[in-house]
Amino acid sequence: SQQGEEDPQALSIQEGENATMNCSYKTSINNLQWYRQNSGRGLVHLILIRSNEREKHSGRLRVTLDTSKKSSSLLITASRAADTASYFCATVGNQFYFGTGTSLTVIP
Amino acid sequence: KAGVTQTPRYLIKTRGQQVTLSCSPISGHRSVSWYQQTPGQGLQFLFEYFSETQRNKGNFPGRFSGRQFSNSRSEMNVSTLELGDSALYLCASSLVLGTTNYGYTFGSGTRLTVV
Repeated sequence: SQQGEEDPQALSIQEGENATMNCSYKTSINNLQWYRQNSGRGLVHLILIRSNEREKHSGRLRVTLDTSKKSSSLLITASRAADTASYFCATVGNQFYFGTGTSLTVIP
Repeated sequence: KAGVTQTPRYLIKTRGQQVTLSCSPISGHRSVSWYQQTPGQGLQFLFEYFSETQRNKGNFPGRFSGRQFSNSRSEMNVSTLELGDSALYLCASSLVLGTTNYGYTFGSGTRLTVV
C-alpha cells in the first residue's frame, strides 16, 4: 500500500497566492522528498528534508517535517501559472514510496 | 551532464505481445528504478537495480522483468501484454550512498498503449 498520502487531492488558487500541500506517512523514514510532475512527464526532484530536520527552504518552497505526527507540508509562496503541476511526496526508509499526489492549478 | 534517457517515448502494442523499454541513467548513478503510473493506481514501484542486481521488487506479476547492464543502463520487459498494462513507465536513477537514496532523477517516461 502507499506509504504517503497527500492532502488535498486537488487545489486551485489564483496566481500570487500561496499553496500548501500536506503529506502523511506511516512508518519511520530516513528522509522525505517532494517532487513535481507536469502532465504526462517525468517527475522533478524539488527538495529533500532529512528526518532530523524540521524545516527547509529552497527559493519559493518551504518544507516542514513533523516526525512525531508523521507528516510533512510543502508551501509554495507567490504562486505562478507555471507552478501548475502534480506534487508528490516520497518517503525514504527501507524502501522508496510515493504518495498519491496533489494536483495544483494556478489560475493566471 | 545528460539526464535520464528513456526510449522509446511512445509505443503501441497489441495484447499478447511483449515489449522492451530502455533506460540510460545519469552517468555515475548505479541505482535504476522503474515505476508504472496510471490514473487509477498512481505511481507503483516495479523494481530497483543496483550494480546489475535486482535489489527491490514491487508487487507486479512475473510478466514484468528487468535487468541492468555493466554500464548501468537498464531494460524492462513486459511479456504477454494486457490492456491494463497501458501506462506511463518511468525510469529513475539515483545516487545511493550506503543504503540512503538522496533523490531520484526521472526520465520523461515511455507511454505504452496496449490495444
